[in-house]
Amino acid sequence: GAVVSQHPSRVICKSGTSVKIECRSLDFQATTMFWYRQFPKKSLMLMATSNEGSKATYEQGVEKDKFLINHASLTLSTLTVTSAHPEDSSFYICSARPDTDTQYFGPGTRLTVL
Amino acid sequence: AQTVTQSQPEMSVQEAETVTLSCTYDTSENNYYLFWYKQPPSRQMILVIRQEAYKQQNATENRFSVNFQKAAKSFSLKISDSQLGDTAMYFCAFMKQDTDKLIFGTGTRLQVFP
Repeated sequence: GAVVSQHPSRVICKSGTSVKIECRSLDFQATTMFWYRQFPKKSLMLMATSNEGSKATYEQGVEKDKFLINHASLTLSTLTVTSAHPEDSSFYICSARPDTDTQYFGPGTRLTVL
Repeated sequence: AQTVTQSQPEMSVQEAETVTLSCTYDTSENNYYLFWYKQPPSRQMILVIRQEAYKQQNATENRFSVNFQKAAKSFSLKISDSQLGDTAMYFCAFMKQDTDKLIFGTGTRLQVFP
C-alpha cells in the first residue's frame, strides 16, 4: 500500500514555456501532499505543502507565482513550473501522507529546460 | 530550528557484512519522529524505518534496525547481512509532531561490494 505516482518521469522543454507535473496517491487519499526539489547529489528541499481544497503553503524563498500548485482532489496534486528557465532544471519529487505521520514519495520527475 | 547531520558522505561494506550509518539531530522538541529513507539509483525515495521519539524501544524492520539515543540526539541505522540491493543514498529525516515538515540530512552514499 501507500503508492504515489508522478507523471511525467522526464520532461524537456524550451525556455519560457510552462510544464505541469502530476502527483497521484494511488491507493489512499491524501489531504496533504508535498513538493520537493533535489539538486544533483544533494538532499531534498521542501518547496511547498499542498492542501486539498485550499492554497498551498510555500517555503521561504520559493516563488509561488513561479511554481503553481493545485490540489484539486484527495488523490491529485499538480505542480506547474511557469515560464521555465534553465535554472529551474532539477529533479522534482512529490510525497503524500495518508492518515499516518509517514510521507510516501513518488518516483520523481526530471525537468530539463533548454 | 531543527537540523539533521549525517557526518558520513560515503560508506562501503562487503556483501553479508554489517554497516552502521550515523545521524544526529538538534531539536528542543520532546515529541517528534525520525525516519531513514533510501534512494537507490532509480531516485525513488523508499521508507526504510521510522521511530517515534516517545518509544524507548528501537525500531526494527527485518535486516534494518536503529539505535535511538534520545538524550544524545542520535539515530543510527544498522544494516545487517548487507545485500547488493542495499546500494543507495540513505537520508535521515526529522519531523516534529503535529507538523508535516520533514527535515532531511545531507545523505550517506552506501556502496555494497560483492
